[in-house]
Amino acid sequence: EPEVTQTPSHQVTQMGQEVILRCVPISNHLYFYWYRQILGQKVEFLVSFYNNEISEKSEIFDDQFSVERPDGSNFTLKIRSTKLEDSAMYFCASSLEDTTSFFGQGTRLTVV
Amino acid sequence: EDQVTQSPEALRLQEGESSSLNCSYTVSGLRGLFWYRQDPGKGPEFLFTLYSAGEEKEKERLKATLTKKESFLHITAPKPEDSATYLCAVQVNLNDYKLSFGAGTTVTVRA
Repeated sequence: EPEVTQTPSHQVTQMGQEVILRCVPISNHLYFYWYRQILGQKVEFLVSFYNNEISEKSEIFDDQFSVERPDGSNFTLKIRSTKLEDSAMYFCASSLEDTTSFFGQGTRLTVV
Repeated sequence: EDQVTQSPEALRLQEGESSSLNCSYTVSGLRGLFWYRQDPGKGPEFLFTLYSAGEEKEKERLKATLTKKESFLHITAPKPEDSATYLCAVQVNLNDYKLSFGAGTTVTVRA
């Protein structure tokens, strides 16, 4: 069964460092998303991406964040200068169109 | 602002003890309501999509229903492997296809 794959599963980084979280969405999907979940809190939408551009972003997704689809299979989330409050689980998701989003297993980001 | 509220926050059940989880929503123009299961440290796993009031979906011991204001996830004769956090999410018309999630209901089923 096709699945969304995320790497790494756990990333520890020092405050102020740049991190790149990687995702391989389901191959025929057209919409790509990043969500995050701070420990004990709701899953929150960060950004959606379609046709090689951002289609919507939340207030959380400020200038420190960027997304890219560098090739036909990968979808990345970059955080330029990490803060302690960026520590969370980051989930990538993809959907075919206005249908169900399927999620990856997440990357646990710990900023120290 | 779109609101999704799940209740209860936590539910402890004996194996075989059926129960229901609630998801109430206040949105302008519901496109779809989704139920996901989340195990600790894992990503949300898709269960059901409901699009219109009166719709019902079933999968094994789980059944999801939808009204104009809320959705229920019924767990019939649960087993310990049904222990998880169940997340409700809504997709709203005119707002792309992003999901707005509730806080979830954590279900623990004791053998």
